[in-house]
Amino acid sequence: EVQLVDSGGSVVRPGGSLRLSCVVSGFTFDDYDMSWVRQAPGKGLEWVSSINWNGDNTGYADSVKGRFTISRDNAKNSLYLQMNSLRAEDTALYHCARDNEGIAPGTFDMWGQGTMVTVSS
Amino acid sequence: DIQMTQFPSSLSASVGDRVTITCRASQSISTYLNWYQQKPGKAPKLLIYAASSLQSGVPSRFSGSGSGTDFTLTITSLQPEDFATYYCQQSYSTPLYTFGQGTKLEIK
Repeated sequence: EVQLVDSGGSVVRPGGSLRLSCVVSGFTFDDYDMSWVRQAPGKGLEWVSSINWNGDNTGYADSVKGRFTISRDNAKNSLYLQMNSLRAEDTALYHCARDNEGIAPGTFDMWGQGTMVTVSS
Repeated sequence: DIQMTQFPSSLSASVGDRVTITCRASQSISTYLNWYQQKPGKAPKLLIYAASSLQSGVPSRFSGSGSGTDFTLTITSLQPEDFATYYCQQSYSTPLYTFGQGTKLEIK
């Protein structure tokens, strides 16, 4: 069974840092690009960042560029999101998602349940 | 950046109805368009990829069409489990993706 388990969310003060993790199982991790997608309370989905299979190509939404860093450890079947200089507007449920290029590039066919990040003083 | 606009933002319908949701891209994206369904408290679920291809396991009452800038998601014969929020997403500008703002489908 394919599983993506997000973790690492918590309450953090503005300007603080946090590292999210996503551990996957049930598929060959390094066969897939991966992404983070967030959802602020009561709002829609917002793509945050993507990384290719070996980590040498990444992309970021303008809203997080320069503050967030996506990375992966294929030996540990893990995806990460390092979040620095956090702002109130970063408050959201963060999902990792699998990008299945085999059906169509940029298609998120499997999702984690999400981990909540709250930025508040 | 490519902007995605969905309409309507909300929709009321009855079980058995046929509904259509529209998504418009700010520039041509060929058929690089996906549709997702999200229920409260759950992760999104992929329904349609590449504008018109049905994801494995998704009921055939869901269909997608369109190319270029205009796309539609159609649900024929609405079922109780279909009441949810639906999002389009462009995958043309890889790896810089954008979602539409969502369409909430409610029971009339």
